[in-house]
Amino acid sequence: ETGVTQTPRHLVMGMTNKKSLKCEQHLGHNAMYWYKQSAKKPLELMFVYSLEERVENNSVPSRFSPECPNSSHLFLHLHTLQPEDSALYLCASSQDLAGGEANTGELFFGEGSRLTVL
Amino acid sequence: GIRVEQSPPDLILQEGANSTLRCNFSDSVNNLQWFHQNPWGQLINLFYIPSGTKQNGRLSATTVATERYSLLYISSSQTTDSGVYFCAVDLRYSGAGSYQLTFGKGTKLSVIP
Repeated sequence: ETGVTQTPRHLVMGMTNKKSLKCEQHLGHNAMYWYKQSAKKPLELMFVYSLEERVENNSVPSRFSPECPNSSHLFLHLHTLQPEDSALYLCASSQDLAGGEANTGELFFGEGSRLTVL
Repeated sequence: GIRVEQSPPDLILQEGANSTLRCNFSDSVNNLQWFHQNPWGQLINLFYIPSGTKQNGRLSATTVATERYSLLYISSSQTTDSGVYFCAVDLRYSGAGSYQLTFGKGTKLSVIP
């Protein structure tokens, strides 16, 4: 148990469906992340939210839409996905100790949501 | 962007053996972390180690930042050590609370009884 919970753990969807992945962190962190892990490829950073504002979008297609309503929750809305989007989607969080001070640097991951697009 | 190379890509060990995993990176970094991903996909942070040496039980890690590499040592390996070990780095010194870690492809470790 890392303090980061993702639901659902498994999701199968058609190319025309709309679904959402949910992430909740119970660690009091103020930064949250979405990563994608495909077979045979390194983990890829998709989105970063710090203090509920998006600070990074690594050229992710618009069919992936993140939402961060507060510092504890992060969503990834999915629509009109492609079969190549099938992957393990991992949520993570980290803590900013204070502005300008060094962070501990640790990233805490959830167990992931395994997505299959048919 | 920064390149992160891990070796070996695959490693099979007899239970009780020791091993060393290596991570080379192409630029100076301010954040380096080692993770273990178990067979069910869960990633666990092992070490935050941008420089120096740390130990945690049977695991230890050393980063030589000036030479751009880090080593993860596993001693007296157990079957529960099986999984994929990732090295991840970030160039930036972050005071804003967020990181942009670049991951290596990992070392897949199999410990057999």
